[in-house]
Amino acid sequence: AQSVTQLDSQVPVFEEAPVELRCNYSSSVSVYLFWYVQYPNQGLQLLLKYLSGSTLVESINGFEAEFNKSQTSFHLRKPSVHISDTAEYFCAVSDPFSGNTPLVFGKGTRLSVIA
Amino acid sequence: NAGVTQTPKFQVLKTGQSMTLQCAQDMNHNSMYWYRQDPGMGLRLIYYSASEGTTDKGEVPNGYNVSRLNKREFSLRLESAAPSQTSVYFCASSVPRVTDTQYFGPGTRLTVL
Repeated sequence: AQSVTQLDSQVPVFEEAPVELRCNYSSSVSVYLFWYVQYPNQGLQLLLKYLSGSTLVESINGFEAEFNKSQTSFHLRKPSVHISDTAEYFCAVSDPFSGNTPLVFGKGTRLSVIA
Repeated sequence: NAGVTQTPKFQVLKTGQSMTLQCAQDMNHNSMYWYRQDPGMGLRLIYYSASEGTTDKGEVPNGYNVSRLNKREFSLRLESAAPSQTSVYFCASSVPRVTDTQYFGPGTRLTVL
């Protein structure tokens, strides 16, 4: 079964500094990979996803993630964070060939942006 | 287009009471899911329904039952609530295998005293 490890439970960072949120998954076979964001007191929203093609995927608000098959990683990065990026971020994985099995989520990384 | 809606938003129960959490989606999605979210535990899947008429257990199904009433609605029932079921519950839906993107409702915050 797939599993996802988010290596940092909390990441504090100053405003306008770069940030990297780390995600590793267990399987080396084909995968779909996702990052979701949860703002305070809200549900999860899709931030970006990798299905196939270019290994670098971007979101509309400046985040990017790179699929690295050899390291089974899908780290999320932003070159300059804003206060509004304060949220919890979840990495998730699915197996395209396993039928209707649900996404597997990591335990989340809480990003706190400090003014 | 409301997406995924959940009712109620908040609920307080006493130990042993029962209740049903309601979820509906208007995106014509085949699959629906119930998760609970607890501090430091991330999201844990309780039950899911791959299509109308089917349900399957997830990681933490004990103490819960589900009903896929039709394609739009998927309810979660606590028959005899326990303090360990204090949590935030999220419903989600998706079109599996197309993109696997899940769309989440706003959540129900449940406290069991």
